Amino acid sequence: DGGITQSPKYLFRKEGQNVTLSCEQNLNHDAMYWYRQDPGQGLRLIYYSQIVNDFQKGDIAEGYSVSREKKESFPLTVTSAQKNPTAFYLCASSPRLAGLDTGELFFGEGSRLTVL
Amino acid sequence: GESVGLHLPTLSVQEGDNSIINCAYSNSASDYFIWYKQESGKGPQFIIDIRSNMDKRQGQRVTVLLNKTVKHLSLQIAATQPGDSAVYFCAEYPRGGYNKLIFGAGTRLAVHP
Repeated sequence: DGGITQSPKYLFRKEGQNVTLSCEQNLNHDAMYWYRQDPGQGLRLIYYSQIVNDFQKGDIAEGYSVSREKKESFPLTVTSAQKNPTAFYLCASSPRLAGLDTGELFFGEGSRLTVL
Repeated sequence: GESVGLHLPTLSVQEGDNSIINCAYSNSASDYFIWYKQESGKGPQFIIDIRSNMDKRQGQRVTVLLNKTVKHLSLQIAATQPGDSAVYFCAEYPRGGYNKLIFGAGTRLAVHP
């Protein structure tokens, strides 16, 4: 089945450690996104990528980094510079830059990161 | 389970009743809107969308209404079922800003038998 796979589903990290969250899609979508979700808040955009080897900062990019070496993969690294990394992280994709056709984003199941 | 939505406004309805979830959007230049449903521990799922040249759009058991004058969006769910229990988010695309979908805080819908 086509879809978006995020791993791991749950992750614990000690303060000062970097951690990388995986996001893979087999939908052949051009655009991919990372969102962060905190209790009582909507989703906030961290980074997005319209095409391989290109990505742009979203609203809360500080303390995060991404790469887009392959069309199907868009890993997110939460660095030690991120001051409050405990959150639910959601990866999404869309056929092209959303809005030009349908604006629908297809989401993965999420990764919950807890910093101890 | 997922702790998202602990402090969200909650709408409680009886099974079989109609539900109306409201959303005030922020940007008068936004011209494309989407409703998403998020069940506990899962990613959001697309429900329905509407562009600013429309006031109303219907899907299966769902209707979205757009009032651009007061920047208000609503999602109506007919004959609400227990499976409709979830957090519902409205999201907006600013005109020309189709790289950035802006999400609202969400509303929790609790359906009681």
